[in-house]
Amino acid sequence: EVRVLESGGDLVERGGSLRLSCVASGFTFSNFAMSWVRQAPGNGLEWVAGISGSGGSTDYADSVKGRFTISRDNSKNTVYLQMKSLRVEDTAKYYCAKMAMAVIKTGSLDYWGQGTPVSVSS
Amino acid sequence: EIVLTQPPLSLPVSPGEPASISCRSSQSLLHGNGYNYLDWYLQKPGQSPQLLIYWGSKRASGVSDRFSGSGSGTDFTLRISRVEAEDVGVYYCMQALQSITFGHGTRLDIK
Repeated sequence: EVRVLESGGDLVERGGSLRLSCVASGFTFSNFAMSWVRQAPGNGLEWVAGISGSGGSTDYADSVKGRFTISRDNSKNTVYLQMKSLRVEDTAKYYCAKMAMAVIKTGSLDYWGQGTPVSVSS
Repeated sequence: EIVLTQPPLSLPVSPGEPASISCRSSQSLLHGNGYNYLDWYLQKPGQSPQLLIYWGSKRASGVSDRFSGSGSGTDFTLRISRVEAEDVGVYYCMQALQSITFGHGTRLDIK
């Protein structure tokens, strides 16, 4: 059974930093890309970042480019999202999702975690 | 950036009746390999999103055959043949041809 479990969400001050983690199981982790998707309170879904199965390719939404960094450790079946220079508008539930292919582009998000909340105070 | 538009924002449907949800893209989502990189997701109240349809018309594993996807290029439709109470939630389309973007969602409610 595929499982995706996020952690690391917290209350942080504007301008601060935070690192989210996502541990996955039930599949060959290095064979699949992973993504982070966020949802601000009462709002829709916003894709944040993605990383290929090998970790050699990454992609980011314009809203986080230069501030967030996605990485993975295939020996630990874990993907990370390092967030810096946090803004109030980054407040959201952050979901980790397994992608259906090894590459980011053209991939679907076939398994999702339950999300971890990030709140940025002003 | 590819923009996805999902009219309407809200869709009330009676149980047992069919429903259609539209998704229009600002650019064609048809890849040179013949696939349309358009997915449909359902987020039920209080839950994480779940994949329903990928590549425009392929049902994801375990998804009821009441759900079907169609369309190509810039216009896509998700159809539910007979709406049930468990179908309530927000339906999102997502494109993965150029980076990834979501539509704003269509909320389906039971009349």
